[in-house]
Amino acid sequence: AQSVTQPDIHITVSEGASLELRCNYSYGATPYLFWYVQSPGQGLQLLLKYFSGDTLVQGIKGFEAEFKRSQSSFNLRKPSVHWSDAAEYFCAVGGGRRDDKIIFGKGTRLHILP
Amino acid sequence: GAVVSQHPSRVICKSGTSVKIECRSLDFQATTMFWYRQFPKKSLMLMATSNEGSKATYEQGVEKDKFLINHASLTLSTLTVTSAHPEDSSFYICSAVGTEAFFGQGTRLTVV
Repeated sequence: AQSVTQPDIHITVSEGASLELRCNYSYGATPYLFWYVQSPGQGLQLLLKYFSGDTLVQGIKGFEAEFKRSQSSFNLRKPSVHWSDAAEYFCAVGGGRRDDKIIFGKGTRLHILP
Repeated sequence: GAVVSQHPSRVICKSGTSVKIECRSLDFQATTMFWYRQFPKKSLMLMATSNEGSKATYEQGVEKDKFLINHASLTLSTLTVTSAHPEDSSFYICSAVGTEAFFGQGTRLTVV
């Protein structure tokens, strides 16, 4: 069964600074990997996903993530954060099929300093 | 992109009553749907996998008699919280699988 770890519960960065949110997964084969963002009281918004191919994935809102098989990681990055990026970020891992269940990490709360 | 509609978005019910939440795939067919629960400031916990035409598969620790799931068509799955209690208050989110998994906007359930 798959699992995912987000080691940072809270991250605080200054507006305009770069961001990296960490994610490590456990799965016996190549998984499907996702990053979602959730604003308070809202649903999930998909930022980006990795199924196969190029290990550097571009997403919406200027986010990108890199799949590193050797490190079992899928870290999310953004070169310059905006105050509107403050939210909860979830890394998620699916199985090897598109209809496999998706398991979520515990989330990282991103705080932005003005 | 594919759209998953969840209804209602918010519901308040009295303790002891039952409440039904619907999850619809609007522009695609979904053999498989998932139901998640999210406690305040917590992550999404998978409750069950709903398969069209067959019984749902529940995750360990989830009471199947408490959370009834019906997936009677390729575009609709329902979650019924039976005899709801305040501890069932939560945010429930469904996901429908088409070319990939698409999520609904969630239902905020408050049991008073």
